[in-house]
Amino acid sequence: AQKVTQAQTEISVVEKEDVTLDCVYETRDTTYYLFWYKQPPSGELVFLIRRNSFDEQNEISGRYSWNFQKSTSSFNFTITASQVVDSAVYFCALSEYGQNFVFGPGTRLSVLP
Amino acid sequence: KAGVTQTPRYLIKTRGQQVTLSCSPISGHRSVSWYQQTPGQGLQFLFEYFSETQRNKGNFPGRFSGRQFSNSRSEMNVSTLELGDSALYLCASSLGQVNEKLFFGSGTQLSVL
Repeated sequence: AQKVTQAQTEISVVEKEDVTLDCVYETRDTTYYLFWYKQPPSGELVFLIRRNSFDEQNEISGRYSWNFQKSTSSFNFTITASQVVDSAVYFCALSEYGQNFVFGPGTRLSVLP
Repeated sequence: KAGVTQTPRYLIKTRGQQVTLSCSPISGHRSVSWYQQTPGQGLQFLFEYFSETQRNKGNFPGRFSGRQFSNSRSEMNVSTLELGDSALYLCASSLGQVNEKLFFGSGTQLSVL
C-alpha cells in the first residue's frame, strides 16, 4: 500500500533562509512518481516538482530543489532564499504507475519578514 | 489559458440533502480527478474520469458519485449528506497521460449542518 509521511507539522523561518521539508514514502512498486505541491490560502494546489523513480527525468518549477534517496525512501524539498510569499502548506505526494495520488498530511511553512 | 474552474466556491447544506459540484478543466485536458480535503483525514482521492469513463476510484461510499461530459466538464454528486461530508472538494485536470502532474482548482467548500 502507498503511504506518505511528513513528520514536520509546522516550520517557521526568517525570510532569505533556506528551508528543507521532509517526506518519507512507502511503496512496493519499483515504478512510481513523487510530487511536491503548495497550497496557499486561496485553496488550489500548485505544482512544484515531479520526479520518477527510475531515471533522471524530472520537472521543477521555481526556486526549488530536491534530494531523492531511494535507499531511505525519502524525497525532501528545499526552498532557497525563502520569501514571505512562500508561506503555505506543502504536500508531498506519491503515485504508483497508473494509480491516483496519495498525499502526505502536509507541512505548514511560515516565512517571517 | 484559463485554469481549472470549480463552482460554487461555497455551499451550505443540511443533513440528508444532496449536492452537485461542478468542475471545468483546462481546455484540452481530458482527465478530471476529485479529491476531498478535511483537517482530520487530509487529502483523499475520490475518483478520476477520462473521456467520460471512470478510470479510477477511491474508497468512498456509493453516496459519492461523479460523471464527465463530452466537453470534459465533470460533476460530482453527494447524496444523503452527513455531517462528516463537510470538506473542501478539489478538482484537478490533466491531459490524461499516466502519472503526469495535476492542475487543481480552488475547490468548493461544503458545509453540512
